[in-house]
Amino acid sequence: EIVLTQSPATLSLSPGERATLSCRASQSVSSYLAWYQQKPGQVPRLLIYDASKRATGIPARFSGSGSGTDFTLTISSLEPEDFAVYYCQHRTAFGGGTKVEIK
Amino acid sequence: EVQLVESGGDVVQPGGSLRLSCAASGFTFSRYWINWVRQTPGKGLEWVASIKEDGSEKYYADAVRGRFTISRDNAKNSLYLQVNSLRVEDTAVYYCARVFNTYDYVDLWGQGTLVTVSS
Repeated sequence: EIVLTQSPATLSLSPGERATLSCRASQSVSSYLAWYQQKPGQVPRLLIYDASKRATGIPARFSGSGSGTDFTLTISSLEPEDFAVYYCQHRTAFGGGTKVEIK
Repeated sequence: EVQLVESGGDVVQPGGSLRLSCAASGFTFSRYWINWVRQTPGKGLEWVASIKEDGSEKYYADAVRGRFTISRDNAKNSLYLQVNSLRVEDTAVYYCARVFNTYDYVDLWGQGTLVTVSS
């Protein structure tokens, strides 16, 4: 069973800053990893799949990288609407989430 | 409009049962694997069950195997989750989720239905 560990649990940043979120898998998942964004009271939204491919309609400020066991979601310049919780996923495993909050 | 709409959530006592439903519209339902994913209040996401396009394959999380049953009716564009022997720890919002490729990526989520297990 693959376990996904996200860090940090909370990231406190200001609008305009760069956000770097990490997801580590307990064993290699190749490039088969997705990232989701969830805002309060909303359902998750797919941002990135296959580690680095942006889903339809996702702004270019969101990018994903990594392979094997270490993955990164980068938000190049935080917009006010980006403050949310982010989850990584591989098949049936989800990470515990990283909350990006306003500093 | 492309959407999934869940229903059937309720407050139930431990040991009780419910049948959750998910109605699909705006897309060819029979062409997709569909998952149930749950989220406990204020917590993260947990995969519950999956069903193949034609219903011939079904998979369950260890925490629910033997108590939950996933099924679908493609003629009615509907997905179901029969949940039996409910436990307090099953309390969560249950989402149906459309899978768009082999690796269980979800590109469409329903709005969720809340199941509360409490005495």
